Amino acid sequence: DADVTQTPRNRITKTGKRIMLECSQTKGHDRMYWYRQDPGLGLQLIYYSFDVKDINKGEISDGYSVSRQAQAKFSLSLESAIPNQTALYFCATSDSKREARTGELFFGEGSRLTVL
Amino acid sequence: GDSVTQMEGPVTLSEEAFLTINCTYTATGYPSLFWYVQYPGEGLQLLLKATKADDKGSNKGFEATYRKETTSFHLEKGSVQVSDSAVYFCALSGSARQLTFGSGTQLTVLP
Repeated sequence: DADVTQTPRNRITKTGKRIMLECSQTKGHDRMYWYRQDPGLGLQLIYYSFDVKDINKGEISDGYSVSRQAQAKFSLSLESAIPNQTALYFCATSDSKREARTGELFFGEGSRLTVL
Repeated sequence: GDSVTQMEGPVTLSEEAFLTINCTYTATGYPSLFWYVQYPGEGLQLLLKATKADDKGSNKGFEATYRKETTSFHLEKGSVQVSDSAVYFCALSGSARQLTFGSGTQLTVLP
């Protein structure tokens, strides 16, 4: 089983619908992230959480919200989806004790969202 | 703010060819530099890293040297294989302690 699991892996929805993407991890990491990937734009950070009570906006947080339900779970919500939120979304985790030395993030397999 | 610029793709090579993917960066202070790889249908995974000037990161035959004087971290491999086909991302961790990614370079290796 994957250490970082995202659900759903694929979702097609309509404009105006509320969507939730979920991420769970078994790595025991304290930090979790949501990224968006668009062709030719690389990865853009949406939100990040350094622990359950510490949630921060990234560079493109407008139109998104998050919830850190537990150390192992971090959900991304689109309250009212719009077509330009069609993208591939990645959850990632890191261990703050190791990140200072390694800078390594561990990624899920991605959730492809299409908004019609 | 921090930024990463990498060569646009796609890049198509024949097996056993030499690979270079250019990456330059802008950052204050002394960032750490990374290359991540994304194989088809998968998430990104760390390929190699370098944390200070003149460090060379290496893994799976890939190498990159942290060049502060040219603010570069070019990825190289002497002989690519079909299995190296993937998207490669250059990234840095700077003063904001967040990873900043380049736009990615698609590599296709033909047999």
